[in-house]
Formats: sequence, C-alpha cells, structure tokens
Amino acid sequence: GAVVSQHPSWVICKSGTSVKIECRSLDFQATTMFWYRQFPKQSLMLMATSNEGSKATYEQGVEKDKFLINHASLTLSTLTVTSAHPEDSSFYICSARDDSGRIEQYFGPGTRLTVT
Amino acid sequence: QKEVEQNSGPLSVPEGAIASLNCTYSDRVSQSFFWYRQYSGKSPELIMSIYSNGDKEDGRFTAQLNKASQYVSLLIRDSQPSDSATYLCAVSAYSSASKIIFGSGTRLSIRP
Repeated sequence: GAVVSQHPSWVICKSGTSVKIECRSLDFQATTMFWYRQFPKQSLMLMATSNEGSKATYEQGVEKDKFLINHASLTLSTLTVTSAHPEDSSFYICSARDDSGRIEQYFGPGTRLTVT
Repeated sequence: QKEVEQNSGPLSVPEGAIASLNCTYSDRVSQSFFWYRQYSGKSPELIMSIYSNGDKEDGRFTAQLNKASQYVSLLIRDSQPSDSATYLCAVSAYSSASKIIFGSGTRLSIRP
C-alpha cells in the first residue's frame, strides 16, 4: 500500500522550454501532496504544498509563476517547470499524504531534470 | 538554529554492529516523528514513525523518542551493508498540520 508514482523518471529539455512532471497516488486518495527539490549531496527542499481543488502554497523563495502546480484530482498533482534554465536541473520528488488521516508522507521515485 | 538537526556524518559502523542515529528538534510542541532512508540517487523511503515517548521496534529498527529532551533516535541492529544510506529525521510542524520538516540527513556507511 501507499504507492506514489512519478512520470517521467528522467527528462532532458532545452533551455527556455517547459516540462511537466506528474505525481500520482496509486492506492490511496491524497488531498495534500508535496513537491521537493534536491540538488546533489544536499538535503530535500520543500518547494510547495499542493492541495486538491485549491491553489498551492509555495515556500519562501520559490517562484510560483515559474513552478506551476495543479492538483486537479485526489490522485494527481502536476508540477510544470516553465522557461527552464540549466540552474533548474535537479531531482524533483513529490510526496503524498493519505486522506485516511495518517500524517506520514509517502514519496514518489523522483524525476531527474536536466536542462541543456 | 535549525528546526531539525542531525549530524551529517559519515557514520561508519562495522557489519553486524548497532548503528545509532540521532536527531534533535527545536519545536517543543511537535507531535509526530519519522525516519526516512534515502539511497544515493533515489527518493526517501519511510522506515519508522513514532508519536509517543519511549521505544518503538520494527524488525532490526528501533526508534526512540524523548519529548522532554526534544530528541529522537534510530537504532539499527545487526547492521548490513545494504543499510548504507542517508537517514533523514523528520518532524511534524506545529504551525501547519500537514507540513513535515526534514533534517539534512546522516550518511551511514556499514563496512564489511
């Protein structure tokens, strides 16, 4: 149980283009999902909290117009990196919280983004 | 002061020994505590959660919580080379019921 998938697992894009990453909870409903970014040898950095049916809550310093989050259903959240630049190259990981009331977060396998 | 502090390591432990990982947190009213394991290049995996003072055991893993000291630890018995990973301590934030604050992680290396 508590499986979260992400697609794609890796992507290479050219500078200036946009990339969409999907996060799905496969066997539970998740009103709340989270998006993290992790640079090599660094800790997880929470980017935003995604809430089904409402606007995402972004952490300080994260540009909401650059990292567009849509949480249109109880099992799917998407992160779109707009006008990507090489400095956006990173490991993007989503997590989801089961609506059954448990507070644990379950992580997806991550998406490695490389912007050339 | 960081909200969740861990020694970055690396912590080197011989195979078969007990590995002890420690974590302190600053928010006294935190209620939920977690240990995640992250292998290099992979995403974190939840291995233990603990909510009450005392010990909680699951296989070779024991989580220990002391809210008075604001301290949580993870013991790994009979350490195996496959336990070599970064271990992240995570604490629920009181300011928002849904957000979890992660420590920067302790890198554990089990030497054969």
